[in-house]
Amino acid sequence: EPEVTQTPSHQVTQMGQEVILRCVPISNHLYFYWYRQILGQKVEFLVSFYNNEISEKSEIFDDQFSVERPDGSNFTLKIRSTKLEDSAMYFCASTQIAGGNNEQFFGPGTRLTVL
Amino acid sequence: QQQVKQSPQSLIVQKGGISIINCAYENTAFDYFPWYQQFPGKGPALLIAIRPDVSEKKEGRFTISFNKSAKQFSLHIMDSQPGDSATYFCAATSRGKLIFGQGTELSVKP
Repeated sequence: EPEVTQTPSHQVTQMGQEVILRCVPISNHLYFYWYRQILGQKVEFLVSFYNNEISEKSEIFDDQFSVERPDGSNFTLKIRSTKLEDSAMYFCASTQIAGGNNEQFFGPGTRLTVL
Repeated sequence: QQQVKQSPQSLIVQKGGISIINCAYENTAFDYFPWYQQFPGKGPALLIAIRPDVSEKKEGRFTISFNKSAKQFSLHIMDSQPGDSATYFCAATSRGKLIFGQGTELSVKP
């Protein structure tokens, strides 16, 4: 069964460092998302991406964040200068068609720890 | 207006009992209401979903009840099993993005 994969599973970094979180969405999916989940809290939408462009972004997704689809398979989230409050689980999701009753498939997540 | 409110925060149920989790929303533009199940160390996985033009949907032991006028929906897990122990999130979609509730940590005791 196709699945969304994410690497690394756990990333530890120093405050102020850049990190890149990687995702491989399901191959025939066209819409891609990043969500984050701070420990013990709800899952929050960060950004959606379609046709090599950001479709929508939340207030959390400020200038420190960027997304890219550098090739036909990877979808990355970059945090340019990490802050302590960026520590969270980051989930990538993908779907074939956006909106309506189209299931978003989630990856297992990357746990980011900023020291 | 983009919020989805979920309760309770945690729930303990005996094996064989009924687990009920409630959610409420405000934005009438939401067009799809999924429930996600999350096990520790895993990403959320779709459990069951409903559209706002349907009042109830049942899949096996899982049922969603939807009250459009009250802007509320709930998940019922019948004959709850220890394997159902997980965190459950209700959600609503607006233009594709998922707005999640706070989550309910369900523990089913044998």
